[in-house]
Amino acid sequence: DSGVTQTPKHLITATGQRVTLRCSPRSGDLSVYWYQQSLDQGLQFLIQYYNGEERAKGNILERFSAQQFPDLHSELNLSSLELGDSALYFCASSAGTGSEQFFGPGTRLTVL
Amino acid sequence: QKEVEQDPGPLSVPEGAIVSLNCTYSNSAFQYFMWYRQYSRKGPELLMYTYSSGNKEDGRFTAQVDKSSKYISLFIRDSQPSDSATYLCAMSERGGADGLTFGKGTHLIIQP
Repeated sequence: DSGVTQTPKHLITATGQRVTLRCSPRSGDLSVYWYQQSLDQGLQFLIQYYNGEERAKGNILERFSAQQFPDLHSELNLSSLELGDSALYFCASSAGTGSEQFFGPGTRLTVL
Repeated sequence: QKEVEQDPGPLSVPEGAIVSLNCTYSNSAFQYFMWYRQYSRKGPELLMYTYSSGNKEDGRFTAQVDKSSKYISLFIRDSQPSDSATYLCAMSERGGADGLTFGKGTHLIIQP
């Protein structure tokens, strides 16, 4: 158990809908990262927050957004969902810069 | 050319063998190198974390980084059936200050 928690474990929704994925980092970690894992693209970095502020952006679509709250938990919002958004979404946390990233168990999103 | 190349396998070896897993990369700015183990439908688990070139050993695992050749390796000694999983290499330019770039993973099977 990495200490990173994610909810829900599974999410099934329809095209065009909006969903919110939630992540709680390990105790004391200030950085939260979001990744998407699909069969064809592998694990892809989406976005990073550090102590409430956006720090780095990866291959995140404009339909996706995230935020980190004062208690350091983070939410990833996915809107106007398409079939191709079906994937595993992982959250990771780290203590800060130059630190190891520890992954949560993931949320499996299925868009029908 | 992909930024990080990793043979997807599967790589099948008998129990007790030494396993060698490798990745090559093209971005010379990468300075932090990691190996993660991922069991089916679970979150990636950090095995090794190294900075710059050199070797690092932890139990049955040894990580090697050769920045001049842009080549990293993970060796597993005395392999066990429980080591059967997908092994992902990951790299970053600034450690925890940016997202990780992953290889697609190598599927490893240890035969009892």
